[in-house]
Amino acid sequence: NAGVTQTPKFQVLKTGQSMTLQCAQDMNHNSMYWYRQDPGMGLRLIYYSASEGTTDKGEVPNGYNVSRLNKREFSLRLESAAPSQTSVYFCASSEAGDYTDTQYFGPGTRLTVL
Amino acid sequence: GNSVTQMEGPVTLSEEAFLTINCTYTATGYPSLFWYVQYPGEGLQLLLKATKADDKGSNKGFEATYRKETTSFHLEKGSVQVSDSAVYFCALRDSGYSTLTFGKGTMLLVSP
Repeated sequence: NAGVTQTPKFQVLKTGQSMTLQCAQDMNHNSMYWYRQDPGMGLRLIYYSASEGTTDKGEVPNGYNVSRLNKREFSLRLESAAPSQTSVYFCASSEAGDYTDTQYFGPGTRLTVL
Repeated sequence: GNSVTQMEGPVTLSEEAFLTINCTYTATGYPSLFWYVQYPGEGLQLLLKATKADDKGSNKGFEATYRKETTSFHLEKGSVQVSDSAVYFCALRDSGYSTLTFGKGTMLLVSP
């Protein structure tokens, strides 16, 4: 049982390049989330998917798109990377939409945009 | 809207000292409250949680009590170890919302 896995672990992009961050979970969870973590800012939600087939914007969605490929996988795409998107990105999942649920986090992707 | 305020760090302690990390919150509904811990180079993992007023969450010697009257969820541990050095995040999830709201995190550094 791997939990939440993310690829890649590290990535360096040039301004304007595109890339997709991959996330998968093997816990049969319904909900999945993408966060970014910046120094002194805590974690901020980019997008989430409450269930397969649905996606919603979080606090900081600009410059990102997401795809809930199936129940297991939730990808985050940067179409035209900008230096302001330099950050550590975390994917998370939870069993359902209940507000008592625990979210389980992946190990993160450290992205640098030059 | 919802918000979480944590004490700023770093908090620097000697091994076996008592730890308190303050957390207060603002919520429109009846939230669940969480403490997550992030060890260096890793993702976040749940430390403890409480889902209603007066509940006490506990794990690995850490405790926090959900105080609705003071809108607080302070994290405590009686005797910290070097291995407790990490960043601690307080978070809430409101009953009317689908997502977590995090505080900015408090770094704890424990020296031998």
